[in-house]
Amino acid sequence: SQQGEEDPQALSIQEGENATMNCSYKTSINNLQWYRQNSGRGLVHLILIRSNEREKHSGRLRVTLDTSKKSSSLLITASRAADTASYFCAMPSGSARQLTFGSGTQLTVLP
Amino acid sequence: DGGITQSPKYLFRKEGQNVTLSCEQNLNHDAMYWYRQDPGQGLRLIYYSQIVNDFQKGDIAEGYSVSREKKESFPLTVTSAQKNPTAFYLCASMGTSGHTGELFFGEGSRLTVL
Repeated sequence: SQQGEEDPQALSIQEGENATMNCSYKTSINNLQWYRQNSGRGLVHLILIRSNEREKHSGRLRVTLDTSKKSSSLLITASRAADTASYFCAMPSGSARQLTFGSGTQLTVLP
Repeated sequence: DGGITQSPKYLFRKEGQNVTLSCEQNLNHDAMYWYRQDPGQGLRLIYYSQIVNDFQKGDIAEGYSVSREKKESFPLTVTSAQKNPTAFYLCASMGTSGHTGELFFGEGSRLTVL
């Protein structure tokens, strides 16, 4: 079954630095999504990249997708303390409209 | 504003009691989902519904039940058969026409069994 794994599990950086998180998956996908979760809150959709795209940008976010390696990365540039959150990758699985989530990366940005 | 409302935000239950978590959406989405999240972990799918009066089990449906009598509402009941119900529960919805597959989430309900 489809399952996403993320690394690192936790990442701590200084404000202004870039943060990179990686996601690997098992089976072919038509898109991959990234979500953010502040502590104790619901998830918020950040960005979706389709299987025919290699890179996508949204503000300070840059997502890449390598379908040959079955992996994706999320880069947050010039990080801020407010970026502190958990970040999850998610990908379609099953025949219905379902998403399977990765294990998440806990990002801490120190002021 | 359109969105998903979950209630209650915090809920305490004694062992042996059933509890029902509410999820309401005004996004006119056909599909709705319930996920469970344990500390420091990802989300696991409990139940999902693609259309009114229809729903399917997810990966961890045992000890849970749902109903979908209205498009806007998808309540989740945590029954006494669920052996380890303490967790953070998240409801989500997805549009199905001309849609990218993005999930919209509520703010979650935290259930603690005493």
